[in-house]
Amino acid sequence: KNEVEQSPQNLTAQEGEFITINCSYSVGISALHWLQQHPGGGIVSLFMLSSGKKKHGRLIATINIQEKHSSLHITASHPRDSAVYICAVGGGADGLTFGKGTHLIIQP
Amino acid sequence: NAGVTQTPKFQVLKTGQSMTLQCAQDMNHNSMYWYRQDPGMGLRLIYYSASEGTTDKGEVPNGYNVSRLNKREFSLRLESAAPSQTSVYFCASRIGGSGGYTFGSGTRLTVV
Repeated sequence: KNEVEQSPQNLTAQEGEFITINCSYSVGISALHWLQQHPGGGIVSLFMLSSGKKKHGRLIATINIQEKHSSLHITASHPRDSAVYICAVGGGADGLTFGKGTHLIIQP
Repeated sequence: NAGVTQTPKFQVLKTGQSMTLQCAQDMNHNSMYWYRQDPGMGLRLIYYSASEGTTDKGEVPNGYNVSRLNKREFSLRLESAAPSQTSVYFCASRIGGSGGYTFGSGTRLTVV
């Protein structure tokens, strides 16, 4: 069973700061997912990646397959970015294995 | 395009009662999943259906049953609810293979 570890568990930053959330996993995978969950809300898929780097707006996700590590970066952070960010791995039909999430608060 | 629709959004049950959580997707996805989310833990897979007509157990299937009614619908049934089943339940779907996941908005279930 793949073990997924995220760091930090909690992060509070000021508006405008560059944010990095890390994810490591124990077993080789075919795909890694970054998800966002607002308080009391549903889960939204941000990225699915199997190699390299992807960018969407102010969000950047990178993955290093050899090191079994991925990072999610947020540039020019804003209070609306406050949410739980979840890393998940798995590429098969049997679903995902999730990290416990990183609680991010961006203060104005 | 509604995506993945879950009903109900909230439910309170008494211990021993039964209920069915409904999930429907309108994206013609092949695979559907039920997860539970508990404080301090990552989401955990209860059951999944890789394609219409098939279902398989996930990590935490005890106390639950599922039905893949057709390609669109995947329901989760609690036959005799227990307080340990208090959780937030998420349904998800994907086209299959290398596709991304789409999640429903969740069902917050409390068993008293």
